[in-house]
Amino acid sequence: GAVVSQHPSRVICKSGTSVKIECRSLDFQATTMFWYRQFPKQSLMLMATSNEGSKATYEQGVEKDKFLINHASLTLSTLTVTSAHPEDSSFYICSARASWDSPRAFFGQGTRLTVV
Amino acid sequence: AQKVTQAQTEISVVEKEDVTLDCVYETRDTTYYLFWYKQPPSGELVFLIRRNSFDEQNEISGRYSWNFQKSTSSFNFTITASQVVDSAVYFCALNGQNFVFGPGTRLSVLP
Repeated sequence: GAVVSQHPSRVICKSGTSVKIECRSLDFQATTMFWYRQFPKQSLMLMATSNEGSKATYEQGVEKDKFLINHASLTLSTLTVTSAHPEDSSFYICSARASWDSPRAFFGQGTRLTVV
Repeated sequence: AQKVTQAQTEISVVEKEDVTLDCVYETRDTTYYLFWYKQPPSGELVFLIRRNSFDEQNEISGRYSWNFQKSTSSFNFTITASQVVDSAVYFCALNGQNFVFGPGTRLSVLP
C-alpha cells in the first residue's frame, strides 16, 4: 500500500528556534497534503491544506506566519514551526492524497514536538 | 458543515468481551466516505476500514465488524472477543468536502 514518511518522529527544540518537519509520499504523487495537530487526549485538528505548487490554505485560527507550509514537489511537503514556544508542543501528523478528491488519505507516522 | 460525533469518550472492557464504538456523522454531501482509524500509544494512525456512502453493506473482517446505517447517519464499529492489544484510541472520520475526524474513543481492554 501507499506509504507516507514523516520525519523526524520526535524533536526537542529550544524556545525561539524553528523546526522543520518533512512529509514524503514514497510511492505515489501527492497532489494534496494535509497537516494536522493533535494535543494530548484530543482529536486531530486540521491546520492547513497544501496543493503542489500553490500556497497552502490555512484553517481559521492557524497562524500562517508561524506555521510555514511548503509543497514544492509532488512527493514532499514541509511544515516549519517558526519561533517555537512551549505552547507549540504537540503531535503533528501529515497526510497525503493522490488528488484533492481522492477518498483515501495516507498518514505519516507523526512528529512529537517538544519545545523547552 | 461536516461533523463527526463519538459520544463515548472512554470505554473499559475485560478481555474477551465484545465492544461497540459508536459514530454519528453529519454532512450535506451526497457522496462521502467514512473511515475508522486506530491510534495506539505510539501515535501512528492505523487505517481500519473505508466505506463509501453508496455501500451500506456491513462488513466483517476477523474480529472487527462495521455497521453502516445511512438512515441514522451512523457508522459503528464492533470488536469481538477483545484483546489487550486492542487498547488504543479509535477515530471515526468523514471525507466529504473535507476530511474531518471525530473526537475519538479511548478503549482500554483489561486482562
